[in-house]
Amino acid sequence: AQSVTQLGSHVSVSEGALVLLRCNYSSSVPPYLFWYVQYPNQGLQLLLKYTSAATLVKGINGFEAEFKKSETSFHLTKPSAHMSDAAEYFCAVSKSSGDKLTFGTGTRLAVRP
Amino acid sequence: DTAVSQTPKYLVTQMGNDKSIKCEQNLGHDTMYWYKQDSKKFLKIMFSYNNKELIINETVPNRFSPKSPDKAHLNLHINSLELGDSAVYFCASSLTGGGRNYGYTFGSGTRLTVV
Repeated sequence: AQSVTQLGSHVSVSEGALVLLRCNYSSSVPPYLFWYVQYPNQGLQLLLKYTSAATLVKGINGFEAEFKKSETSFHLTKPSAHMSDAAEYFCAVSKSSGDKLTFGTGTRLAVRP
Repeated sequence: DTAVSQTPKYLVTQMGNDKSIKCEQNLGHDTMYWYKQDSKKFLKIMFSYNNKELIINETVPNRFSPKSPDKAHLNLHINSLELGDSAVYFCASSLTGGGRNYGYTFGSGTRLTVV
């Protein structure tokens, strides 16, 4: 079975600082990995996805993530946080096309002025 | 706009009532899902359908019954609503086949409050 672990349910950074949100996965087969963002009272928006092509994946809003098989990790980073990045971030995994997405418990990102 | 659309966006109802949530996608996807997000923001799969066929049915009470009249629609009917059913329900869709995973598109959610 697939699973993801997001370390840190709350992360707080200063505006302009590096954002690092951690995600480790467990999968019996090569995984497909995703990061989604949820703004307050809104739906889930796809930030980026890893589907076995390049290990460094660039997404929207300046976010990127690197797939590291040896560490079973898919951490999300952004060089410089913006106030508008404050939201809930979810890492998710699926094992194949059409399979369910299994989500981590989410990380709430707060950005301090 | 190409999207996954859910109605209603908000639903407040009394315990014991029966209600439905509708979902439609115009993305040409062949698989649709229902997810439940609880008060702690945890997202869990409930059902998935591929071309109108039930594929995934997680341990969900029998009071929840999905229906897919065609591959663009997946509705969720809930009987005898209970306080614990209060949550945000998300519909999603994806395109399968060819060994590739093209990702999942989510609707904006339906916030169900049972009083």
